[in-house]
Amino acid sequence: EDKVVQSPLSLVVHEGDTVTLNCSYEVTNFRSLLWYKQEKKAPTFLFMLTSSGIEKKSGRLSSILDKKELFSILNITATQTGDSAVYLCAVVKQGGSEKLVFGKGTKLTVNP
Amino acid sequence: ETGVTQSPTHLIKTRGQQVTLRCSSQSGHNTVSWYQQALGQGPQFIFQYYREEENGRGNFPPRFSGLQFPNYSSELNVNALELDDSALYLCASSFGGSAVQETQYFGPGTRLLVL
Repeated sequence: EDKVVQSPLSLVVHEGDTVTLNCSYEVTNFRSLLWYKQEKKAPTFLFMLTSSGIEKKSGRLSSILDKKELFSILNITATQTGDSAVYLCAVVKQGGSEKLVFGKGTKLTVNP
Repeated sequence: ETGVTQSPTHLIKTRGQQVTLRCSSQSGHNTVSWYQQALGQGPQFIFQYYREEENGRGNFPPRFSGLQFPNYSSELNVNALELDDSALYLCASSFGGSAVQETQYFGPGTRLLVL
C-alpha cells in the first residue's frame, strides 16, 4: 500500500527560527513529489520535485528530494507568522490517473 | 488565487440525504480531481475526470459518483450520506493528456457537515 509519512505532525517555533519539515514515501511507480501550503482551505502549490539532489528555492523556502532514500525536506528560514499553516507533501504516481497520495501534513505555528 | 472555484462553500445535510458539489476548473485545464479531507488528515483521492471520462478512482464506495461536462467543470455526487462523510471536499484542476503537468491547482473547497 502506498504510504507518505510526514514529520513532525506539529511544530511551534518563534519568528526568525529555521524549520525543516520531513516527508518520506513508499510509493510504487513514483513520478514526482509536490509540496503544498494549506492555510485555511485550498492547498497552494509550493514546489514540484522530480530529480534527486536538485534544490528548488523560492524566497525563504527551499526543498530537495532524495530518490534513493525516498524522502524530501522542506526548509523555511527566518520564519514569519505568515508561515503558520499546514504543509502537505504529496507524491504523484506514474501511469493512469495522476492522483496525488498525500501525507497527513505538518502543522507549523510561528509565534511572534 | 488559482482560478478554480467550488460551490457551495458550506453545506449541512442529514444522514441519508444526497448532495451535489460543483467545481469549475482553471482556464486551459481539462482534468479535474476530487479529494476528501477529514479534519486533521491529508486529502484522500476520490476520483479524477479527464475529458469527461472517469480516469482513476480511489478507495471510495459507489455512492460517490461524478461527472465532467464539455467545459471541463465537474460535479461530485454523494448519495445516502453518512456521518463520516463530513469533511472538506477539494477539487483540483490540471492539464492531462500527452503533455501531463502533475501540478494540480486546488479550489477553496466545500465544507460538508452531515448530522
